[in-house]
Amino acid sequence: DTGVSQDPRHKITKRGQNVTFRCDPISEHNRLYWYRQTLGQGPEFLTYFQNEAQLEKSRLLSDRFSAERPKGSFSTLEIQRTEQGDSAMYLCASSLKGTVLSYEQYFGPGTRLTVT
Amino acid sequence: AQTVTQSQPEMSVQEAETVTLSCTYDTSESDYYLFWYKQPPSRQMILVIRQEAYKQQNATENRFSVNFQKAAKSFSLKISDSQLGDAAMYFCAYRSTYTQGGSEKLVFGKGTKLTVNP
Repeated sequence: DTGVSQDPRHKITKRGQNVTFRCDPISEHNRLYWYRQTLGQGPEFLTYFQNEAQLEKSRLLSDRFSAERPKGSFSTLEIQRTEQGDSAMYLCASSLKGTVLSYEQYFGPGTRLTVT
Repeated sequence: AQTVTQSQPEMSVQEAETVTLSCTYDTSESDYYLFWYKQPPSRQMILVIRQEAYKQQNATENRFSVNFQKAAKSFSLKISDSQLGDAAMYFCAYRSTYTQGGSEKLVFGKGTKLTVNP
């Protein structure tokens, strides 16, 4: 069990560019979540998947944001035409539905995005 | 929609002393989970303790315990015998239960930064 990993850990991009982040959940976990955390705030929910199905999307997830989880394994979060307001830490978490511990979400280290 | 409020942006405690972090929440649901997460500087968030709303008994995990007041919608975290390694951001979070048919997302407060002084 290597935990949730995210890549890259840091990303600096210019306004208007597209960026893509990757999350690898704990291997047997079937649920995967994306959150966004801005400075001085708690994480805010963006979306989550059960296996490959995207079950819920926040209204925070504008049309410029898209997330996928092909084959129910890793997930990608893409932001198109980045804006300075997108600068934040993007957190990924995973959990295993169907067990007594399914309430617990395990978080990755995050990807810090800076849009200049 | 559920909301979580942490009214203490920062707290400090002397090593070996006890500190209590406050959290209030708002919900119309009768069954839910409440959590305290710890986020050390530049490290990933980890779960400290959880409470199921249907349980009257307050949860404890070693030096960490909660005071859950359902009617008051209050959920405070007590850290006993504080250690230097307890220094971190602490987030209170809410989650619906499956039986409510609610979302599995966590709703977080803004956090409390805890400093432990040697």
